[in-house]
Amino acid sequence: KQEVTQIPAALSVPEGENLVLNCSFTDSAIYNLQWFRQDPGKGLTSLLLIQSSQREQTSGRLNASLDKSSGRSTLYIAASQPGDSATYLCAGNRGGGADGLTFGKGTHLIIQP
Amino acid sequence: DAGITQSPRHKVTETGTPVTLRCHQTENHRYMYWYRQDPGHGLRLIHYSYGVKDTDKGEVSDGYSVSRSKTEDFLLTLESATSSQTSVYFCAIRRDRQETQYFGPGTRLLVL
Repeated sequence: KQEVTQIPAALSVPEGENLVLNCSFTDSAIYNLQWFRQDPGKGLTSLLLIQSSQREQTSGRLNASLDKSSGRSTLYIAASQPGDSATYLCAGNRGGGADGLTFGKGTHLIIQP
Repeated sequence: DAGITQSPRHKVTETGTPVTLRCHQTENHRYMYWYRQDPGHGLRLIHYSYGVKDTDKGEVSDGYSVSRSKTEDFLLTLESATSSQTSVYFCAIRRDRQETQYFGPGTRLLVL
């Protein structure tokens, strides 16, 4: 059974810092790794999807990487802003078919102005 | 925005009553999913669908059933609601030939 772990559970940093959120998974057969953002009381917003053949994806100030051999993914946020404050979730599956996602419990991020 | 709506958005019900939640999509995607989100557990898959009348169980399917009679609607039914089913329920879709899943706004369900 796939298990996804996110460390740290919470993080508070001053505005402008670069930061890294970590996600580890137990199933080396993982194919897709998706990062989401969730604001309080809201739904999930998809940030980035990495497929194992891609290793890395970038969108604006966000960069996500995937290392299947070590069972890890990282989300890098450059030049953090107060608007980045949210909970960040990673989730993976084996891809193809109707495979649902297995989620980590998230990292609650606060960017201090 | 993947054109996903959920109804109702909030519901309070009593233990033992049946409850049906609706997920509606406007883009005719094949794959649809129901998840629940609980503190300390994160999001967990309840059921999923890969076409009209094609559904299967996820990780936490006990006490839930689903139906999909039309491509655009995926219904989740709590056959006899219990307090342990108090949760936030999210519907998601996956576009054909893509792997990204997109989520609806969620339904907050309180079972008293």
